[in-house]
Amino acid sequence: DIQMTQSPSSLSASVGDRVTITCRASQSISSYLNWYQQKPGKAPKLLIYAASSLQSGVPSRFSGSGSGADFTLTISSLQPEDFATYYCQHSYGTPPWTFGQGTKVEIK
Amino acid sequence: QVQLQESGPGLVKPSQTLSLTCTVSGDSIRNGVYYWSWIRQPAGKGLEWIGRIYPSGSANYNPSLKSRVSMSVDTSKNQFSLKLSSVTAADTAVYYCARQGFDCSSINCYYWFDPWGQGTLVTVSS
Repeated sequence: DIQMTQSPSSLSASVGDRVTITCRASQSISSYLNWYQQKPGKAPKLLIYAASSLQSGVPSRFSGSGSGADFTLTISSLQPEDFATYYCQHSYGTPPWTFGQGTKVEIK
Repeated sequence: QVQLQESGPGLVKPSQTLSLTCTVSGDSIRNGVYYWSWIRQPAGKGLEWIGRIYPSGSANYNPSLKSRVSMSVDTSKNQFSLKLSSVTAADTAVYYCARQGFDCSSINCYYWFDPWGQGTLVTVSS
């Protein structure tokens, strides 16, 4: 199975900050990388697919980049509603498709 | 607007079989466009893909669970289901159903999970 490793596991930031989360795959996965946001007690919500494509309805302050094995999710100006846990997930090749362990974004 | 809703027992005894159903509204499973998946999340932990099923009944399972998992689909009720046998406390988790979306506009096909159901907590305990 392809392992997905996110860093950091958690971070503290203030409203208005630029936030960057990294996801590394255990092998090259081209651009087969998705990002999700999960708030407590809620289901994950798709933010980015194919590494850099913004899901419809997702604010433009979210962006994704990368290819191969290294990927980044950036929030350009953190808003109060962005405090949540973020997961990357690969969709390369045949199943199983695995998720990163998550990055919790907390209020500073 | 597509919505998914999980249902089933919230408490299952060890060694028994966990059974859940996902009811889809706003889309027809019978259309044969999408795969339909199950994903779980133990409390305070990450997400694990369990498997997916196509309307024809063709399914793929996570090898880590393959010996205990089966999925089925009922297009007449617009539902798909999960069975996980011989459960232990390690199977205690929130179980989500999700549609597997895709984009095949380029030479590659990209897949993702969206939308998701709200999730249902299943506890394995005697």
